[in-house]
Amino acid sequence: EDQVTQSPEALRLQEGESSSLNCSYTVSGLRGLFWYRQDPGKGPEFLFTLYSAGEEKEKERLKATLTKKESFLHITAPKPEDSATYLCAVSGTSYDKVIFGPGTSLSVIP
Amino acid sequence: DAGITQSPRHKVTETGTPVTLRCHQTENHRYMYWYRQDPGHGLRLIHYSYGVKDTDKGEVSDGYSVSRSKTEDFLLTLESATSSQTSVYFCAISDRNTGELFFGEGSRLTVL
Repeated sequence: EDQVTQSPEALRLQEGESSSLNCSYTVSGLRGLFWYRQDPGKGPEFLFTLYSAGEEKEKERLKATLTKKESFLHITAPKPEDSATYLCAVSGTSYDKVIFGPGTSLSVIP
Repeated sequence: DAGITQSPRHKVTETGTPVTLRCHQTENHRYMYWYRQDPGHGLRLIHYSYGVKDTDKGEVSDGYSVSRSKTEDFLLTLESATSSQTSVYFCAISDRNTGELFFGEGSRLTVL
């Protein structure tokens, strides 16, 4: 059964304090691993897609990496505006059914 | 922003009443999805559609039905709402080339 777990459940950082979020997954035939950002009261917003182990993608202060069993979202020198819930998701052999993890709630304190 | 609108955005109803949520897209995407989001569970797929009149079940489809009579509209119906269906419901469309999902703003449903 395809499954996604994320840790920690919540993370509180001081502004400028770098850290990483973890996404562990079990899927038959990974077609893609996705990271989304969700602000309170909003729908998730796409950040990255990773397709194969060893792949990395960056966007501003965020960098996503992928291994065969997990993905990390590294946040470098975060700012308060990076506060949000970060969701990890995977799709197996088809994009028909994307499985989401429960998310990590990130708070960045000025 | 992807052209996805959900209605209503907020609804309070009583147990046993029927409820229909509407998702409207202006992007002409073939694939549309309904998810529900609950604390501790994340987003779970209810139903999805891969074309007009073509739908399939997701992970948590019991108690829900869907219809798609036009490319732009995907309806989610709770025939007889229960308190366990209190949730935030998200509609999404898909870029089938990349698997990327574009979400609406959500519909918050409370069943008393």
